[in-house]
Amino acid sequence: SQQGEEDPQALSIQEGENATMNCSYKTSINNLQWYRQNSGRGLVHLILIRSNEREKHSGRLRVTLDTSKKSSSLLITASRAADTASYFCATVRNNAGNMLTFGGGTRLMVKP
Amino acid sequence: GAVVSQHPSWVICKSGTSVKIECRSLDFQATTMFWYRQFPKQSLMLMATSNEGSKATYEQGVEKDKFLINHASLTLSTLTVTSAHPEDSSFYICSARDWGTENIQYFGAGTRLSVL
Repeated sequence: SQQGEEDPQALSIQEGENATMNCSYKTSINNLQWYRQNSGRGLVHLILIRSNEREKHSGRLRVTLDTSKKSSSLLITASRAADTASYFCATVRNNAGNMLTFGGGTRLMVKP
Repeated sequence: GAVVSQHPSWVICKSGTSVKIECRSLDFQATTMFWYRQFPKQSLMLMATSNEGSKATYEQGVEKDKFLINHASLTLSTLTVTSAHPEDSSFYICSARDWGTENIQYFGAGTRLSVL
């Protein structure tokens, strides 16, 4: 079952602009991860943030986590056309073994 | 990095036939693999968790006799869609968890199944 809700569901921006995607979840978590999926392909892991972390950076990616609000955001700075993809957050819930629970995803289109 | 190979990438079959999809971890041992189903423009729906050497754990609503999972080795899990029907047409994706990576999953490229 899907735990997370992501917004927006779709986002269209111009190359060079920043893209922000949000994810909310319902139960306590061990960590939260962001994945990217190109159309018709599998998912690729982008970044993981632990429940005791508030912010993390990786290249042009910045992830924040607010456990009090049960929400996370993914910021892609200086977007490129190649960033066009769907982005999913996924949570590892406490006491849920090694399952990932995925959000609904944000479809990002970056126009050249 | 960890690589997961999924085969075939696309299969078309007649209604009533069975289709086998393979998922291999190429450079690591995966005691646990996962099978997902994805409908167009939707998120991934976990179908089952495949554990090496034991029976798979199916999610509620997934027919175990319809979707047979075998995880006979630490690098291979298979999903067989038995007696496929048009409503089984979907995108199926496998993933594998590399032990000790905080539940990061590495995904295959997916299999698009079209049942005529």
